[in-house]
Amino acid sequence: DAGVIQSPRHEVTEMGQEVTLRCKPISGHDYLFWYRQTMMRGLELLIYFNNNVPIDDSGMPEDRFSAKMPNASFSTLKIQPSEPRDSAVYFCASSLAGHPYEQYFGPGTRLTVT
Amino acid sequence: SQQGEEDPQALSIQEGENATMNCSYKTSINNLQWYRQNSGRGLVHLILIRSNEREKHSGRLRVTLDTSKKSSSLLITASRAADTASYFCATALTGGGNKLTFGTGTQLKVEL
Repeated sequence: DAGVIQSPRHEVTEMGQEVTLRCKPISGHDYLFWYRQTMMRGLELLIYFNNNVPIDDSGMPEDRFSAKMPNASFSTLKIQPSEPRDSAVYFCASSLAGHPYEQYFGPGTRLTVT
Repeated sequence: SQQGEEDPQALSIQEGENATMNCSYKTSINNLQWYRQNSGRGLVHLILIRSNEREKHSGRLRVTLDTSKKSSSLLITASRAADTASYFCATALTGGGNKLTFGTGTQLKVEL
């Protein structure tokens, strides 16, 4: 298996622009998680899905952030409008229903908002 | 705020030595795991220990859990240069569903 795939790997955008991050989980995995990692705040869970349904979005910082999972093999995290404080590495992870805590992480998307 | 805090924040040892990292957490947990992150990469799951377990082994890794002290330790024996990475503990809180709360991490450097 190719593992969790994220795109793009790097994104540089200007403040106010819309940013869309993409994730393809491991085939057969039931859970999908979106995390954000910064030096100041560490690794934070933003939202997670079970069988394509959002379960907990309490970590989504504000209304500018939204996430969707239209099918079992694809998820997006959108930031509109983006701000410099959104600069971070965004990780997607997936796991099996029987082992939800053994999460497989993608390589991350490094987002820079200028 | 962080549920888990690792200690030390950074650790530098010689190849062949043992490395010990500690994690403290604040609230009741279902289980605790340790993850590794190499520079510029995603996290990799290492080991899970349940709240009713006290010790677990996996290869050169040994994890202990003391729920009365709300702490865990990760021991890497006979360290190698390839073990150089950041190590994070992650807790699954009681009643917290299937989400994990990650600690602040320990940066381990193993020198030749």
